[in-house]
Amino acid sequence: AQSVTQLGSHVSVSEGALVLLRCNYSSSVPPYLFWYVQYPNQGLQLLLKYTSAATLVKGINGFEAEFKKSETSFHLTKPSAHMSDAAEYFCAVSDSTGAGSYQLTFGKGTKLSVIP
Amino acid sequence: ETGVTQSPTHLIKTRGQQVTLRCSSQSGHNTVSWYQQALGQGPQFIFQYYREEENGRGNFPPRFSGLQFPNYSSELNVNALELDDSALYLCASSFVGRAYEQYFGPGTRLTVT
Repeated sequence: AQSVTQLGSHVSVSEGALVLLRCNYSSSVPPYLFWYVQYPNQGLQLLLKYTSAATLVKGINGFEAEFKKSETSFHLTKPSAHMSDAAEYFCAVSDSTGAGSYQLTFGKGTKLSVIP
Repeated sequence: ETGVTQSPTHLIKTRGQQVTLRCSSQSGHNTVSWYQQALGQGPQFIFQYYREEENGRGNFPPRFSGLQFPNYSSELNVNALELDDSALYLCASSFVGRAYEQYFGPGTRLTVT
């Protein structure tokens, strides 16, 4: 079974500073990888996805992530944090359950705080 | 383009009762998945439906069941509610050929007392 590890349950950065949220995965096959963002009392919004194309993936709101197979990592970055980036971020890997069915396996999440 | 919608937003039930949660898929999507997100945790996969049949299931007991309708809307039914069933229930939809790429609704917060 696939698994996802997010290092750091809580990350604080100053407004304008670099955001780096770490994600490592385990997978026996080339994975599909995703980052989702969740604002308080809301559902999950897809930030970006890796589906075996370019290893550097750009998403919404200025976020990007780099797939590194040798390190089994898919870290999320943003050059300059904005107050509106404060939310919880989830890394996920897609796992086939057969017959065209896929389940997402999520990490435990990283809560990002942005300090003015 | 209409996104994934879920109803109700919040629900309070008593242990032992049954509950039905509803979901409307994003326009054009024909596959629906359900997830349970306990407080402070990442979502956990319950099951996925395509062509009105369950075609993938996570580690959840049979008292968690679902339906998918011809218009691709879906229901999650939970029987014999337990206190640990208190969670945010998320519905996600996708295209069958890209079922790994899932788009989520706002969720239903279920509280079991």
